[in-house]
Amino acid sequence: QSALTQPPSASGSPGQSVTISCTGTSSDVGAYDFVSWYQHHPRKAPKLVISEVTKRPSGVPDRFSGSKSGNTASLTVSGLQAEDEADYYCLSYAGSNNFYVFGTGTKVTVL
Amino acid sequence: QVQLQESGPGLVKPSETLSLTCTVSGASVSNDYWSWIRQPAGGGLEWIGRIYTSSETTNYNRSLRNRVTMSVDTSKNQFSLKLSSVTAADTAVYHCARLVNRIMFDYWGPGTLVTVSS
Repeated sequence: QSALTQPPSASGSPGQSVTISCTGTSSDVGAYDFVSWYQHHPRKAPKLVISEVTKRPSGVPDRFSGSKSGNTASLTVSGLQAEDEADYYCLSYAGSNNFYVFGTGTKVTVL
Repeated sequence: QVQLQESGPGLVKPSETLSLTCTVSGASVSNDYWSWIRQPAGGGLEWIGRIYTSSETTNYNRSLRNRVTMSVDTSKNQFSLKLSSVTAADTAVYHCARLVNRIMFDYWGPGTLVTVSS
């Protein structure tokens, strides 16, 4: 099972928005509305920021939003803040054979 | 607040078995799904496997299936990972995490670096 494809990097100035794509196949992203997104600061525990494509867990700012079209899911971070600088990974459920597939990861830089 | 903490040797020799434990606080490991996930240096995240603690049912990544064993110790509120016949390719930061609704991970440990080297 191949990893989901994400751009290696994305950047924006404080206050701007950045959108990260996550492209899979009809067997994972396209098959289920079970895409989640994780924010990962180095040497810390990854943090769930979006679940089930569009849902924000309690405590996650509404600057984080998710969407999906076909085999591609997206995470948008609006009103960028310095603390948003991190690596972001998508994850899709991929059925009972492959279970869980992560994205390749995107490093977000706040300029 | 649910917290997870990985522990185990940071250095393992090639061909030997990597053994890690995840200690959970703030929640019971019973009747839930728990997973191991790893990240090699400069690489992305890779799901290793999951265990459903009430039945000790396990599912593993197909690429690692022949070398992985997961188990649980409810008396210590811990679950564990064993990866046999390790090579340098198994050098990575290993995270444990709780799997929610079998579709996402809501709590993770900070990870522990395991280096495979003689």
